[in-house]
Amino acid sequence: TQLLEQSPQFLSIQEGENLTVYCNSSSVFSSLQWYRQEPGEGPVLLVTVVTGGEVKKLKRLTFQFGDARKDSSLHITAAQPGDTGLYLCAGRTGSYQLTFGKGTKLSVIP
Amino acid sequence: DVKVTQSSRYLVKRTGEKVFLECVQDMDHENMFWYRQDPGLGLRLIYFSYDVKMKEKGDIPEGYSVSREKKERFSLILESASTNQTSMYLCASRTTSGSSYEQYFGPGTRLTVT
Repeated sequence: TQLLEQSPQFLSIQEGENLTVYCNSSSVFSSLQWYRQEPGEGPVLLVTVVTGGEVKKLKRLTFQFGDARKDSSLHITAAQPGDTGLYLCAGRTGSYQLTFGKGTKLSVIP
Repeated sequence: DVKVTQSSRYLVKRTGEKVFLECVQDMDHENMFWYRQDPGLGLRLIYFSYDVKMKEKGDIPEGYSVSREKKERFSLILESASTNQTSMYLCASRTTSGSSYEQYFGPGTRLTVT
């Protein structure tokens, strides 16, 4: 079974701070996705990274895929209360399936 | 916009009841998925369907069955609900066109079995 470990599990920060969350595995993934889930809703895709070493930016969010395609990070600059939610990474494990990490629950305090 | 809808947001059932959770997507997606989400365990795949009338077991299929008679609809069935099936159930769909593996999720059904 290919596992994705996310850290930290919980993160509570003040508005304006920067943060990084991590997604690690001993397995190689052909692609990796990051989703955000708000309370009472389903996850929504933020980004897909495919190439080792790839960096993608989405406004204040920066996503990086490790060179060996086993790990990824999400960095948020100047966090805002609207960034609050559960961040999930997911690696492609087959033709149809994704394997999800357990998530990082982020709270941004105004 | 892709829309995935689930029949109920909240559901309370008794132990032993047969429970149907319905999911409908409006984007003609080939693949559909059922997950359950529990604190500390993340999203776990119960079943998926890569096309009409096709189904495959996921990681935790025990106690569940599924039905996909039409492309847009994927049903999850709990034949005899048990308290350990209390959970958030999420449905998702995905197109096989292109190279994206994005899954579009419904809002979830929070099921409580008493």
